[in-house]
Amino acid sequence: LAKTTQPISMDSYEGQEVNITCSHNNIATNDYITWYQQFPSQGPRFIIQGYKTKVTNEVASLFIPADRKSSTLSLPRVSLSDTAVYYCLPFGNEKLTFGTGTRLTIIP
Amino acid sequence: DTAVSQTPKYLVTQMGNDKSIKCEQNLGHDTMYWYKQDSKKFLKIMFSYNNKELIINETVPNRFSPKSPDKAHLNLHINSLELGDSAVYFCASSQDKAEVYEQYFGPGTRLTVT
Repeated sequence: LAKTTQPISMDSYEGQEVNITCSHNNIATNDYITWYQQFPSQGPRFIIQGYKTKVTNEVASLFIPADRKSSTLSLPRVSLSDTAVYYCLPFGNEKLTFGTGTRLTIIP
Repeated sequence: DTAVSQTPKYLVTQMGNDKSIKCEQNLGHDTMYWYKQDSKKFLKIMFSYNNKELIINETVPNRFSPKSPDKAHLNLHINSLELGDSAVYFCASSQDKAEVYEQYFGPGTRLTVT
């Protein structure tokens, strides 16, 4: 059974760069990799997507190695408002399997 | 101007009852989804649906059935509710377009079965 795994939790101080890695060994050729942020009592919110190498937008960067079996979400200079649960999701024509989620806590 | 809305936000009911959760999206998207989030915060796909195809996660009991009266709505009907059905249910939608994989999620419906 394909499984998408992430570290359960991470802590970081304000102003630091945070990197969260997701393992998706069984990613399909057509799958893109997407990442979501979820605050308590809200639905997940899309952050970024990529297929390979590096993608950057106004809130994050996404690094994907050549074998695409993992991906790393990078959040630059985090603030308290970045405290949330982060999920990866390989998305394409195959079954949608969210990662196990990483609870990120930002410390003042 | 809510993009994806769900009703009700909270639903408390007894075992054995039948209930429905409604979902509407005003984004003009072609595909809609239902997810279940359990107490450990794991998000699991239940269904994805567009006007061409219904894809069912084979682990979903047949007590759960999606019903789509039109492209903007995908309701979730649950028969014979069980204690294990207690969870937060999220509706989502996305464009059916190549290389566009952003899903828009609703605020969730917290279902409690007693």
